[in-house]
Amino acid sequence: EADIYQTPRYLVIGTGKKITLECSQTMGHDKMYWYQQDPGMELHLIHYSYGVNSTEKGDLSSESTVSRIRTEHFPLTLESARPSHTSQYLCASSEAGNGYNEQFFGPGTRLTVL
Amino acid sequence: SQQGEEDPQALSIQEGENATMNCSYKTSINNLQWYRQNSGRGLVHLILIRSNEREKHSGRLRVTLDTSKKSSSLLITASRAADTASYFCATDAWSGAGSYQLTFGKGTKLSVIP
Repeated sequence: EADIYQTPRYLVIGTGKKITLECSQTMGHDKMYWYQQDPGMELHLIHYSYGVNSTEKGDLSSESTVSRIRTEHFPLTLESARPSHTSQYLCASSEAGNGYNEQFFGPGTRLTVL
Repeated sequence: SQQGEEDPQALSIQEGENATMNCSYKTSINNLQWYRQNSGRGLVHLILIRSNEREKHSGRLRVTLDTSKKSSSLLITASRAADTASYFCATDAWSGAGSYQLTFGKGTKLSVIP
């Protein structure tokens, strides 16, 4: 079944730890995105990719990094987590070239940094 | 700068009533989309309306678009308790960085009381 997956769903870690949030999609979409969203607030685009080996920074400055080695996989890494990184992280994908840019979202990872 | 702004920020209605949410934006768009987000989850695409369309229906959803006023409205008819969620408008517009980009508003929190 075509879908988009995020793991873990919840993560509580201490300051200074390195973490990787996983995102995978089985829809064959070229475009993928990472958003940061505080509870009840708007989404902020932090990274996006147009395809393999393509990564771009979004509107919101972030200390995280991303990679796109495979079409289906778009992990986000924080080298040294801080309490200010506490938020929900949403991964999304969309089909390139159809002119609509409809995005499909994963369930999100809620990150808490103590 | 924020592209889409929803109004109201929060809306509480009785089951069976209609719910109307509005979205205003600032620049020319390719299309406008509405998404729903249940608490703590990812976003789900509801409906897309292209810039050359004025009205679109999907089940109990009706979306209108007025490009002269740069505004859109989402009407949910005969609301149900299960419609309780946050609703976001998103505008697909030329980013100036060589691609179209989807920008989300702050959302309207809808509560449907049984």
